[in-house]
Amino acid sequence: DTAVSQTPKYLVTQMGNDKSIKCEQNLGHDTMYWYKQDSKKFLKIMFSYNNKELIINETVPNRFSPKSPDKAHLNLHINSLELGDSAVYFCASSLSSLGLAETTGELFFGEGSRLTVL
Amino acid sequence: RKEVEQDPGPFNVPEGATVAFNCTYSNSASQSFFWYRQDCRKEPKLLMSVYSSGNEDGRFTAQLNRASQYISLLIRDSKLSDSATYLCVVNTGSGGYNKLIFGAGTRLAVHP
Repeated sequence: DTAVSQTPKYLVTQMGNDKSIKCEQNLGHDTMYWYKQDSKKFLKIMFSYNNKELIINETVPNRFSPKSPDKAHLNLHINSLELGDSAVYFCASSLSSLGLAETTGELFFGEGSRLTVL
Repeated sequence: RKEVEQDPGPFNVPEGATVAFNCTYSNSASQSFFWYRQDCRKEPKLLMSVYSSGNEDGRFTAQLNRASQYISLLIRDSKLSDSATYLCVVNTGSGGYNKLIFGAGTRLAVHP
């Protein structure tokens, strides 16, 4: 029973198209995230939501629009895809976004969604 | 300057070797620190938290030097299964919210 699940796992599309990636967690966590891992393997935070509220928006182009219908789901919609959007997108969740103790630092990642823009 | 910097490696070591990874971070207000492990084409997973006094988990020892803004990970008696990328992670969150920043990772290859 997968804790953090993302769909689709692979996505190949043309420049200019619009696509969505869905994420669901069954851990009962309050906080969910989107990270982007580019070809150089650098994992960069994009967004974080705490209980459906946007907490972090890391200067991501507004072609990227996250949506959290409830605290167990965080979807990512990307408009007008560009070549530079090709990457692996990881969804993650954590117990709580509130507090900076070592115990709240564990992120549970989904398996990633590999997006290729042609 | 990147918020979290690591030597990218790769570190190629024989089984049984001891290997150390280093990491520096730029935000002196960072509160908590971690090492994650990422296998090829897999998601990152928490390896261990890094406590101010240093901590050990089996063959793995993590150290933190807040004054130098430096974190280390020592792996003793390397196993083939330790081959992976090791990610240094720093929590730079403020206002009560977590914001985990990942280093680019250090690749370790353990050979027979």
